[in-house]
Amino acid sequence: AQSVTQLDSHVSVSEGTPVLLRCNYSSSYSPSLFWYVQHPNKGLQLLLKYTSAATLVKGINGFEAEFKKSETSFHLTKPSAHMSDAAEYFCVVSDPNNRLAFGKGNQVVVIP
Amino acid sequence: DGGITQSPKYLFRKEGQNVTLSCEQNLNHDAMYWYRQDPGQGLRLIYYSQIVNDFQKGDIAEGYSVSREKKESFPLTVTSAQKNPTAFYLCASSIAGARTDTQYFGPGTRLTVL
Repeated sequence: AQSVTQLDSHVSVSEGTPVLLRCNYSSSYSPSLFWYVQHPNKGLQLLLKYTSAATLVKGINGFEAEFKKSETSFHLTKPSAHMSDAAEYFCVVSDPNNRLAFGKGNQVVVIP
Repeated sequence: DGGITQSPKYLFRKEGQNVTLSCEQNLNHDAMYWYRQDPGQGLRLIYYSQIVNDFQKGDIAEGYSVSREKKESFPLTVTSAQKNPTAFYLCASSIAGARTDTQYFGPGTRLTVL
């Protein structure tokens, strides 16, 4: 069985300051990990993914994440928050049949 | 213009009625998925299909049914047996069913039971 834990359901950051969203996973397999972003009443957009290549993964809109097997973590970071980053973020792990297990999400608020 | 379309965007249903949500993709993807999203929770898998004329139950399949008669279409029927159907429903597709394949999501359908 696979699972994802995202702490801090709500995260507030000031515009221009760093963003850190934490994700820990549990997987019986060598994992594929994803971060998706969802704006209100919209579908999900892929930010980045890890599939056993480089452990530091760069994504869209200045986001990146680092896979740390020893810590079973895949935290998402961005050096400087922008107002357009206000959204909900999901960390996701897939199984060999591409069935996805989602974390409960981080709702990010950006303060001007 | 490739992508995934879901219709309608908003849907209202009376208790006891079945309702069908549409999902179409023109990405030539083999695999398609249906998820349900409730406030404060991540998405949960309802059904998935890795090839035409074949599909499998996900984690919360009770009260739902699907068909996969065409590669590009994967409609979801919410039956009257679903106890709490009010939710946001998202359809996704991927090129195949491998764990490294990215799933691409449609814009969603918000279903409200009156």
